[in-house]
Amino acid sequence: AQSVTQPDIHITVSEGASLELRCNYSYGATPYLFWYVQSPGQGLQLLLKYFSGDTLVQGIKGFEAEFKRSQSSFNLRKPSVHWSDAAEYFCAVGARFNTDKLIFGTGTRLQVFP
Amino acid sequence: DTGVSQNPRHKITKRGQNVTFRCDPISEHNRLYWYRQTLGQGPEFLTYFQNEAQLEKSRLLSDRFSAERPKGSFSTLEIQRTEQGDSAMYLCASSLGTTGGYGYTFGSGTRLTVV
Repeated sequence: AQSVTQPDIHITVSEGASLELRCNYSYGATPYLFWYVQSPGQGLQLLLKYFSGDTLVQGIKGFEAEFKRSQSSFNLRKPSVHWSDAAEYFCAVGARFNTDKLIFGTGTRLQVFP
Repeated sequence: DTGVSQNPRHKITKRGQNVTFRCDPISEHNRLYWYRQTLGQGPEFLTYFQNEAQLEKSRLLSDRFSAERPKGSFSTLEIQRTEQGDSAMYLCASSLGTTGGYGYTFGSGTRLTVV
């Protein structure tokens, strides 16, 4: 069965520092992978997605993620965090042949200090 | 394109009452999804529609829950005889085709509190 693990429940960084949020997935084949961001009281916004090809994908707001098959990981990175990046981040996995249902991780809450 | 709209934003109800939520997807999107998100958790899939057809339902969707999309446009999610465990954020999302192509567009959700 598919599953997603986000090991870090809460991360705090200083503004301007680099960021890496971890995501590990469990799936028998190469899945479709997504990162979403959720601001308080809001819905989820798609940051980026990986389907195939280049394992380094670029997203909105300066985020990127790298798919590593050998580690079953899809970590999200940003070189310099802005205070407005404070939010909850969710990694999600979809089956390659049935992406109508996504499995989400439990999320990582990012706090940014000035 | 006004995005995915959900109403109401907040709903407080007494245990045992029925509640209904509405979702208006992006107009050209043929697929509509309902997810539930409890505190400290990621969204969990409930059900989805392609046009007016409900194609899959999660085991989370007990017989007290019913979802409709009568004309393939807006959708409603009804919970009958609400229980405190139903307190959650109910998220609607829509997509054009499968998520493999485009990913979802989520609404802002309806937060349900059962007292």
